[in-house]
Amino acid sequence: QQQVKQSPQSLIVQKGGISIINCAYENTAFDYFPWYQQFPGKGPALLIAIRPDVSEKKEGRFTISFNKSAKQFSLHIMDSQPGDSATYFCAASINFGNEKLTFGTGTRLTIIP
Amino acid sequence: EAGVAQSPRYKIIEKRQSVAFWCNPISGHATLYWYQQILGQGPKLLIQFQNNGVVDDSQLPKDRFSAERLKGVDSTLKIQPAKLEDSAVYLCASSLLTGDGYTFGSGTRLTVV
Repeated sequence: QQQVKQSPQSLIVQKGGISIINCAYENTAFDYFPWYQQFPGKGPALLIAIRPDVSEKKEGRFTISFNKSAKQFSLHIMDSQPGDSATYFCAASINFGNEKLTFGTGTRLTIIP
Repeated sequence: EAGVAQSPRYKIIEKRQSVAFWCNPISGHATLYWYQQILGQGPKLLIQFQNNGVVDDSQLPKDRFSAERLKGVDSTLKIQPAKLEDSAVYLCASSLLTGDGYTFGSGTRLTVV
């Protein structure tokens, strides 16, 4: 029940296209859903996060869509750029992020010219 | 603001040896986490500190792993004795209490041979 399932495992998108990564969770106590971006040799960096009182949050080219009834959330990267090539992790937490994060398994995104 | 500092960056040891990792969180961050990231997987929490007290160490293999956070600032994570399956990146992260996301360090890559 603590798992967060992430798909796809890897994704190749053309420059300028839309990258979509999906996550699903079981624990209805989760109330904070961040996405992290990780480059090789670096720690994960917070990209964008959402709480379940809203269905969508947008920051620049990055959008989280959240479906509380389906217990699913997704990351959309618009106008994908080669610099977006990285591994992306979804995560979930209780207590609005003040507790441990449960991470998904990661998606390796490659943006091709 | 300075980020989360970790050292060493890399460590190679033989199985059954001991090893220690050091973390200096962002100044003023009361919460400190140690995560283990095995290659190809998402980070998994080992231990969470609030100031110098342990909040969650339920997934810490206590027969071989130990961690401390003296004076509520720096932290060390120790493995003794190491096993082959301990090969991973050990990430330290810190956060304020506001649930606005962690800041991760770049991690220590441990290889046990």
